[in-house]
Amino acid sequence: DVKVTQSSRYLVKRTGEKVFLECVQDMDHENMFWYRQDPGLGLRLIYFSYDVKMKEKGDIPEGYSVSREKKERFSLILESASTNQTSMYLCASSTSTSYEQYFGPGTRLTVT
Amino acid sequence: AQSVTQLDSQVPVFEEAPVELRCNYSSSVSVYLFWYVQYPNQGLQLLLKYLSGSTLVESINGFEAEFNKSQTSFHLRKPSVHISDTAEYFCAVSAASYDKVIFGPGTSLSVIP
Repeated sequence: DVKVTQSSRYLVKRTGEKVFLECVQDMDHENMFWYRQDPGLGLRLIYFSYDVKMKEKGDIPEGYSVSREKKERFSLILESASTNQTSMYLCASSTSTSYEQYFGPGTRLTVT
Repeated sequence: AQSVTQLDSQVPVFEEAPVELRCNYSSSVSVYLFWYVQYPNQGLQLLLKYLSGSTLVESINGFEAEFNKSQTSFHLRKPSVHISDTAEYFCAVSAASYDKVIFGPGTSLSVIP
């Protein structure tokens, strides 16, 4: 079974802090994604990566950056957290030839 | 550009009753369609998909969805729901791009005992 793990299930940070969210997948998938999930808005793509050190902006990249130094690991960085970044963050991965994305359990981030 | 509409944000239904969750999409090109399910406190998992071939697709737990190109719809149905079907359901569309999937806002299905 594909397993996608995220470093924390719940996280509380203060405004202005630098926040790191980590995602690890164990199936050698080429593609990795970061989404945020908000009620009534569904999932919105923040960034995705199709290879090590490669990244592409999604629909809402402002205020976020990403890092992919190893194939299995994709990090989301909030350089200076703000209250409007309070949300559920979901990581996903997929192969380069499949539409099926495999999701982690999510990290619920609260910025106070 | 593609977009997905799920008209019902919440659907309460009694156990063993039938249910339909509606999904409509807009796209100027051919699309692939998906339903994902998110159980409480979990990530999303693929429920079923339409890529080509038969317009009626089924999942292993009794859900089915029918691709209707003329109505640009991909509604999800189950003839008899169970308590364990309580979850958030997301319709999604991809215009033949492995790296871009557009998700709808989700429908929260609550099965009442």
